[in-house]
Amino acid sequence: RKEVEQDPGPFNVPEGATVAFNCTYSNSASQSFFWYRQDCRKEPKLLMSVYSSGNEDGRFTAQLNRASQYISLLIRDSKLSDSATYLCVYNTNAGKSTFGDGTTLTVKP
Amino acid sequence: EPEVTQTPSHQVTQMGQEVILRCVPISNHLYFYWYRQILGQKVEFLVSFYNNEISEKSEIFDDQFSVERPDGSNFTLKIRSTKLEDSAMYFCASNQVTYEQYFGPGTRLTVT
Repeated sequence: RKEVEQDPGPFNVPEGATVAFNCTYSNSASQSFFWYRQDCRKEPKLLMSVYSSGNEDGRFTAQLNRASQYISLLIRDSKLSDSATYLCVYNTNAGKSTFGDGTTLTVKP
Repeated sequence: EPEVTQTPSHQVTQMGQEVILRCVPISNHLYFYWYRQILGQKVEFLVSFYNNEISEKSEIFDDQFSVERPDGSNFTLKIRSTKLEDSAMYFCASNQVTYEQYFGPGTRLTVT
């Protein structure tokens, strides 16, 4: 079983759509959770941290369910600029980041 | 806004040659990392470094790899004898005591 499993995608949505990505992790020692976005041939950039209480940043909402070992990202009112690969990531106490394979989103006009 | 920098942006080398990839982490960060991403694949952890020593390394980080912080600003990854399968993007990252890591733009290593 992969350490981090993400929706395989790709997701192709029209501008303005709402899209949700799901992620499960297998390491119960995972401490911190993040969503990163990665544009083609660029470095991963932190999108947001994920907390058990859920957190929102503008059009983006992230949720963590530790009991189910499940993380989600919701993007509302998609923009063309949201097109990217979204990476689900967890860190252990040692700080090492474990990445999922990523889910590719294409937002079309 | 401070950022992680990496040089060179692209390195081409012949199989068997040594390469050194350089990184300048964000200045007040204490934890440093190297990751690699083979084209079309996921980002993979190589090594973490804290207080002038390796704190964790993956199976990928074998004897051919080494890291060093030669001065107060640089953090380097050396591959002693490159193989074709070492061709990848290599990302350096750093952070403070929080877990959010900030990544450099990467060095694309091509081994021919």
